[in-house]
Amino acid sequence: KAGVTQTPRYLIKTRGQQVTLSCSPISGHRSVSWYQQTPGQGLQFLFEYFSETQRNKGNFPGRFSGRQFSNSRSEMNVSTLELGDSALYLCASSSRGDGYEQYFGPGTRLTVT
Amino acid sequence: DQQVKQNSPSLSVQEGRISILNCDYTNSMFDYFLWYKKYPAEGPTFLISISSIKDKNEDGRFTVFLNKSAKHLSLHIVPSQPGDSAVYFCAASALISGGSNYKLTFGKGTLLTVNP
Repeated sequence: KAGVTQTPRYLIKTRGQQVTLSCSPISGHRSVSWYQQTPGQGLQFLFEYFSETQRNKGNFPGRFSGRQFSNSRSEMNVSTLELGDSALYLCASSSRGDGYEQYFGPGTRLTVT
Repeated sequence: DQQVKQNSPSLSVQEGRISILNCDYTNSMFDYFLWYKKYPAEGPTFLISISSIKDKNEDGRFTVFLNKSAKHLSLHIVPSQPGDSAVYFCAASALISGGSNYKLTFGKGTLLTVNP
């Protein structure tokens, strides 16, 4: 099976702009979670989608949003970008969506200037 | 509130020796624990897990130990190899309060360097 794919891999944006990141889960996986990784902060949970519904949400401002499509592909959007949004954004998929093994994509490296 | 803590940001060991990575947690509702390994420019890769009903799980060179009373788990790598050099994340899973699904909480990671 193909793994989790994320596009684009690298992105440079300017403060105030918005950005959309895409994630394609492993075939058959219905749960997609998004994480933000910054130096010294580990992986911070953004949100999780299961069958097109957001089931969980982390402690991020409303500028961070997402959605999931009927084919389980997911997008994450960040509006009004700030310098502090520079990070590696990781997407993970799971077959059961129950917090067990999640399979991660390579991430999208977002740099905000 | 950091519910999963990896207090050692880095660890350096010699090839062939044992690597011990530690993780502490505060939420007694966590019932499943996982270790992930991450190389630069790649996403984390699942390594090994343990259920709260067990105290040890072994997979080849990797063994995870769970001490529920101390809310502590550790990952042992024996023998350590240079290819094991990576960031290791500890993660814990708990049922979402009032919900029917689980959420993973990650520690900040420990950078393991195995020297030849």
